[in-house]
Order: sequence, then C-alpha cells, then structure tokens
Amino acid sequence: DQQVKQNSPSLSVQEGRISILNCDYTNSMFDYFLWYKKYPAEGPTFLISISSIKDKNEDGRFTVFLNKSAKHLSLHIVPSQPGDSAVYFCAASDRDFGNEKLTFGTGTRLTIIP
Amino acid sequence: EAGVTQSPTHLIKTRGQQATLRCSPISGHTSVYWYQQALGLGLQFLLWYDEGEERNRGNFPPRFSGRQFPNYSSELNVNALELEDSALYLCASSLGRFETQYFGPGTRLLVL
Repeated sequence: DQQVKQNSPSLSVQEGRISILNCDYTNSMFDYFLWYKKYPAEGPTFLISISSIKDKNEDGRFTVFLNKSAKHLSLHIVPSQPGDSAVYFCAASDRDFGNEKLTFGTGTRLTIIP
Repeated sequence: EAGVTQSPTHLIKTRGQQATLRCSPISGHTSVYWYQQALGLGLQFLLWYDEGEERNRGNFPPRFSGRQFPNYSSELNVNALELEDSALYLCASSLGRFETQYFGPGTRLLVL
C-alpha cells in the first residue's frame, strides 16, 4: 500500500515559469513532510520541510503548501531554472509517535526547458 | 563540512554471498538511517540506529541487519544475497530523532 503518492512521474516546465509538484498521502498520522531533490548518481538532497501545524513554508524560490483536510501537499518552484532539473521526492513521517522513518513517494522527474 | 559518506560506491556479489556496506554520518550526527531503492521503486526504509541502538526497522527479512559503532558510523549487512537485493542503498544521518535527514551518495549493489 503506497502511503505517499506522486501521481505525475514526469513534468516539463519552461525556464522562468512556475513548477508545481504534487504529493498525496493516505496516512492521517503523518505530521511532518519533506521534499528532496535527487540528481543521477547522487543521494537525495533535502530541500524544504513543513510541519502539520503549518500550511505553508517558504525558502527562497521554494514554497511548500500543505492541505491537511485533502491530505495533499505541493512544492512550488519560482522561477524555475535549468539546475532544477532532477527527480523530486516527497516524504512523510509521523513524529508524534516517535516514528522518524521517512516514507517516500516514487518521485517526479522535473525537466526545465531552456 | 563533510557530508554523509558511503563505501563502497559499487559492489558486485553473487547469489548467496554476504555484502557489507558502510556509512559515516555528518560530524555530530548521532542517528543513522538505511534505505533501499530498488529499480523502479521508491526509497524503502530499512533500519534506523541512534546512539548505538537499533530503534526501528522496516519490512525487510532478518538477513538485513546492521550496527552502529561508538563513533556513530554504521554498517549494513545483507546475508544470503538474492537477485532482488540488487538496488541502491542509501544512508542518511541526522542530529537527532526529530532532525532533518541528510543522505549520502549511496552504494549500488548488484547481485548476479
């Protein structure tokens, strides 16, 4: 059972435009969410996180939005740059119960078109 | 500051053999996590070590085991290798149980 789902395996966006990556989850116990970026032959790189007590978190060009009622989160990248081309993973954990392991989605490959 | 390091980068074994993968966390990090990324699948949680103790394990058979040393480095052992163990094995570390996990570059294991 896939508890974290990224339904779009790939996404192409023009350079300078907004990239929106989506993630849905089914486990209502998840209370902490993260986005990681992964380049080929490298490990995932932490991008941004959000706790369930918030609905938005910004860090430079990256903003994560959380809609708890819909069990949905999204990552917005504005403006998109060629270096943003990578696979993006959404991850979640339920820290309230001391479960720090991350449950990952299957990833979305973002391609920024120059 | 050095990131998480893993060795070896690549490992080729035959079915039935044992594999040992190593991870050095970021300096000051006490928690180490292991994940498996098989071809076409997402990252699956394997093991979590904190302060030398195994704190949690994922849905993997007992032939996947490991340990954490006093310097917080960690070792993942996979016994009786099977073809489907071929995957990228990623190690992550964090300052503590509620802190962000930072990943190493991974060890790619190929079982023939």
